[in-house]
Amino acid sequence: DTGVSQDPRHKITKRGQNVTFRCDPISEHNRLYWYRQTLGQGPEFLTYFQNEAQLEKSRLLSDRFSAERPKGSFSTLEIQRTEQGDSAMYLCASSLILAGAYNEQFFGPGTRLTVL
Amino acid sequence: QKEVEQDPGPLSVPEGAIVSLNCTYSNSAFQYFMWYRQYSRKGPELLMYTYSSGNKEDGRFTAQVDKSSKYISLFIRDSQPSDSATYLCAMSARYGGATNKLIFGTGTLLAVQP
Repeated sequence: DTGVSQDPRHKITKRGQNVTFRCDPISEHNRLYWYRQTLGQGPEFLTYFQNEAQLEKSRLLSDRFSAERPKGSFSTLEIQRTEQGDSAMYLCASSLILAGAYNEQFFGPGTRLTVL
Repeated sequence: QKEVEQDPGPLSVPEGAIVSLNCTYSNSAFQYFMWYRQYSRKGPELLMYTYSSGNKEDGRFTAQVDKSSKYISLFIRDSQPSDSATYLCAMSARYGGATNKLIFGTGTLLAVQP
């Protein structure tokens, strides 16, 4: 399978714990996005990387959230001191940026986080 | 007010019906308009995209964009039970020739009854 993969698929944690999610983009895709989707809502943008550089962060990304993309390949999203409001599906997407062409974002299956 | 508004439904139609899904938006900078389909507990998958105004057809699906009214539509002809899913509209501005972050609607839950 050469699509975007995310790990774990499900995570249940207690309030106050730290969690880390991983995203492996499609090989050679230079852009990687993180979105968050709550029940009954569309995905909301969190942040994105162009290669290893984090170029934009949403105001939704509080100080408890940090994302990295070392070496411009896989990415991790860490949430510290989780709160019940962090319960959501965390989606990763990747795209290949080519000038003058439409750059489709391919989504992974998501990591569903439940904070008890 | 959200940048993108979409009726959440749910929408239930009989098999073979024509389905019309719509979104409105407020940001004039949006240049790319997408429709994604999302099955339960899965990631969204792209159905169609349109650049600027106009129509685009792909099999049973037709996307329309009216930038003057800030209104986009997706039509599904001869709907099938396998079309049952959540349909998300998404939009993005164009920066330096490349698409950027996607702004999604809330999604419309569609059920096609056999």
